[in-house]
Amino acid sequence: GQGVEQPAKLMSVEGTFARVNCTYSTSGFNGLSWYQQREGQAPVFLSYVVLDGLKDSGHFSTFLSRSNGYSYLLLTELQIKDSASYLCAVRDSNNYAQGLTFGLGTRVSVFP
Amino acid sequence: DMKVTQMPRYLIKRMGENVLLECGQDMSHETMYWYRQDPGLGLQLIYISYDVDSNSEGDIPKGYRVSRKKREHFSLILDSAKTNQTSVYFCASSQGNYAEQFFGPGTRLTVL
Repeated sequence: GQGVEQPAKLMSVEGTFARVNCTYSTSGFNGLSWYQQREGQAPVFLSYVVLDGLKDSGHFSTFLSRSNGYSYLLLTELQIKDSASYLCAVRDSNNYAQGLTFGLGTRVSVFP
Repeated sequence: DMKVTQMPRYLIKRMGENVLLECGQDMSHETMYWYRQDPGLGLQLIYISYDVDSNSEGDIPKGYRVSRKKREHFSLILDSAKTNQTSVYFCASSQGNYAEQFFGPGTRLTVL
């Protein structure tokens, strides 16, 4: 089957960092995306990874290990406004027609 | 201006009434989606549309149908709404790579 798992909550302190983990299982992997969703708002695309390794995009970085079915989103220099839910989504190459499968999201709370 | 719009933003209906949710995008994206988002269930794909009159069921199509007669418009129809269809509905669009989807602001539907 296909599943995307994320921790429900994560708390961190302003100025530090937060790592949001995502594990997935697919019959055929064809990329993983990260979205940010603030309370009461729509998801906003952050990053897409399809190859192993770390992709540095400044404030947000993403890591992927296909052999382990694992990714993380790293938020550095945290600001209060980074408080949001972060959604991991995968695409199954054996189920192309279905688009993305989303995890439930990790609610990140940044405290002063 | 790259934008996905949804109308209405809020809607209250009685059980058994018909519901029409409208979505528009100004990016000439081929692919459009309808999702619903519920606490504890995350974003679930209802329908995906690859272009005009080329629609495919998602994970939870029962009780819904869609219409796409122009590339920029994608409608979600609930014939005889049920109370368990109370949810927040998001429309999204993408071009080519399904990894980067642009979401509309959402419609909060309450079925009494």
